[in-house]
Amino acid sequence: DAKTTQPPSMDCAEGRAANLPCNHSTISGNEYVYWYRQIHSQGPQYIIHGLKNNETNEMASLIITEDRKSSTLILPHATLRDTAVYYCIVTRVNDMRFGAGTRLTVKP
Amino acid sequence: DAGVTQSPTHLIKTRGQQVTLRCSPISGHKSVSWYQQVLGQGPQFIFQYYEKEERGRGNFPDRFSARQFPNYSSELNVNALLLGDSALYLCASSSPGLAVEQFFGPGTRLTVL
Repeated sequence: DAKTTQPPSMDCAEGRAANLPCNHSTISGNEYVYWYRQIHSQGPQYIIHGLKNNETNEMASLIITEDRKSSTLILPHATLRDTAVYYCIVTRVNDMRFGAGTRLTVKP
Repeated sequence: DAGVTQSPTHLIKTRGQQVTLRCSPISGHKSVSWYQQVLGQGPQFIFQYYEKEERGRGNFPDRFSARQFPNYSSELNVNALLLGDSALYLCASSSPGLAVEQFFGPGTRLTVL
């Protein structure tokens, strides 16, 4: 599975969009990009995933570059409850190999 | 509908002992995966089971084993516990298919003294 690189931490103002980047330059053609988040002491929560097209659901949008070497998770209107560690995972099978993730802090 | 459930919630053991953790997947889910999360790190993949067969294994020693039952519930066993096995153990279930989301349980917090 491809390795991912994420910034260790980011801040975002409440009500603004949070844009979380992820680099996955070694991604293979059949590997998906997944995003999960983990709020303190809880199990990870699925957010969104995609292969090569941009995806949107009720929680977030996923923008994947045309060469698929990087992606961005967008939380359109961040709230205090979005404070969490966000994990970007690239995999072709259903076992998720988590890295260290990005700790997003949403501030009032 | 009930989500993924795990038992026990917390557990304290001493070095050298053995422990069994249990997981019940969401109804209709046939795949169960186990993860270990040490404080301050992301979850690390241990096992994946599908239809009672092991489908994937992470980089963990043979002290770690698991099985899946006909009702798709699963157990994770750890023998000869070490202090370093202290962690949050997470179970996730998913429906059949490729590129599906995994649903995680709340985890079992294991402390080894």
